[in-house]
Amino acid sequence: AQSVAQPEDQVNVAEGNPLTVKCTYSVSGNPYLFWYVQYPNRGLQFLLKYITGDNLVKGSYGFEAEFNKSQTSFHLKKPSALVSDSALYFCAVSHSGGYQKVTFGIGTKLQVIP
Amino acid sequence: NAGVTQTPKFQVLKTGQSMTLQCAQDMNHEYMSWYRQDPGMGLRLIHYSVGAGITDQGEVPNGYNVSRSTTEDFPLRLLSAAPSQTSVYFCASRTRPTGSYEQYFGPGTRLTVT
Repeated sequence: AQSVAQPEDQVNVAEGNPLTVKCTYSVSGNPYLFWYVQYPNRGLQFLLKYITGDNLVKGSYGFEAEFNKSQTSFHLKKPSALVSDSALYFCAVSHSGGYQKVTFGIGTKLQVIP
Repeated sequence: NAGVTQTPKFQVLKTGQSMTLQCAQDMNHEYMSWYRQDPGMGLRLIHYSVGAGITDQGEVPNGYNVSRSTTEDFPLRLLSAAPSQTSVYFCASRTRPTGSYEQYFGPGTRLTVT
């Protein structure tokens, strides 16, 4: 069975500082990894994904994520946080081959402090 | 494109009542799914469909039914509502059931069962 762990319920960061939201995963086969963001009272929006190739993937709104196969991690990063980045962030995993169910983590609330 | 639409936005039911949550997408996506979002639990897959006429169960299917008579629509039926079904429900779609496609989410339905 596949799973996703987001070890931090909440991450606080000062505006202008770099941010990291952590994610580790477990899956059989080659992983497809995703980050989504949810603003209050809204549905989830896709940020970025890793399929194969370069371990650093870039996405929307200046976010990027680093895939580390040996540590089975896919941490979300941004060099300089904005107050408007405050939201709930979800990591998700599926795998190559067959029909793919997507498994989500429990989410990490990012609070950017002015 | 309207993307993924859901109705209603809010609903209050009494225990034992039944209702249908509507979901539609206008992107000709083959894959559609229903999730529920609960605090501390992340998103959990209820049912999914890989094409018209084909549905399958996710992690938490009990108490819910689905059907997929057209590519566009994927309604979720609550057969006899229970307080444990109080949650926020999201419908999502993606281009294909296989491959690394990201999902597009609707705005959600907030359901309260008293």
